[in-house]
Amino acid sequence: EDQVTQSPEALRLQEGESSSLNCSYTVSGLRGLFWYRQDPGKGPEFLFTLYSAGEEKEKERLKATLTKKESFLHITAPKPEDSATYLCAVQAPNYGGSQGNLIFGKGTKLSVKP
Amino acid sequence: DSGVTQTPKHLITATGQRVTLRCSPRSGDLSVYWYQQSLDQGLQFLIQYYNGEERAKGNILERFSAQQFPDLHSELNLSSLELGDSALYFCASSVGTGFYPQHFGDGTRLSIL
Repeated sequence: EDQVTQSPEALRLQEGESSSLNCSYTVSGLRGLFWYRQDPGKGPEFLFTLYSAGEEKEKERLKATLTKKESFLHITAPKPEDSATYLCAVQAPNYGGSQGNLIFGKGTKLSVKP
Repeated sequence: DSGVTQTPKHLITATGQRVTLRCSPRSGDLSVYWYQQSLDQGLQFLIQYYNGEERAKGNILERFSAQQFPDLHSELNLSSLELGDSALYFCASSVGTGFYPQHFGDGTRLSIL
């Protein structure tokens, strides 16, 4: 069964304290891995797409990397406004009969204290 | 702002009732996806439409149905509601039906009393 596991469930950092979030997956024939940010009361906001092992994407203080079994979201010198839940999702072929559907992890809740 | 619009933002109703949730996708997007988010299950895929046709089904109950109209907006119909149906319901859209990023609306919070 295709699965996505995120760790840790929650992470508390001091402002400026860099860290990494993990997303491990067991999917047959991964076609794409996505990172989203979700704020309370809002929908997931798209951050990155990674398609192949070794690929890296960056946006401000965030950097996403992908290996054959997991992805990391590195947060460098975080600020309080980076506090949110970060979700990882994978696309696998023929999940639910289509190529486009996402399997989500349960997320990592990040809190950054000033 | 993702460009995906969902209405209403909140719905409060009773067990046994029927409700309709509405979604307008981003301009130019042909695919619409519906997801359910609960505290214990996380985001679960329900159903996908592409250009008016059903493309895929996930963990959608028989009491739930959806459709996508010619103007590409979509509606999710939930009937014979139970307490366990209380959740956030999200709509997402993407350009096509392949491996494209999905952009989410801010959801409809459904509370069953």
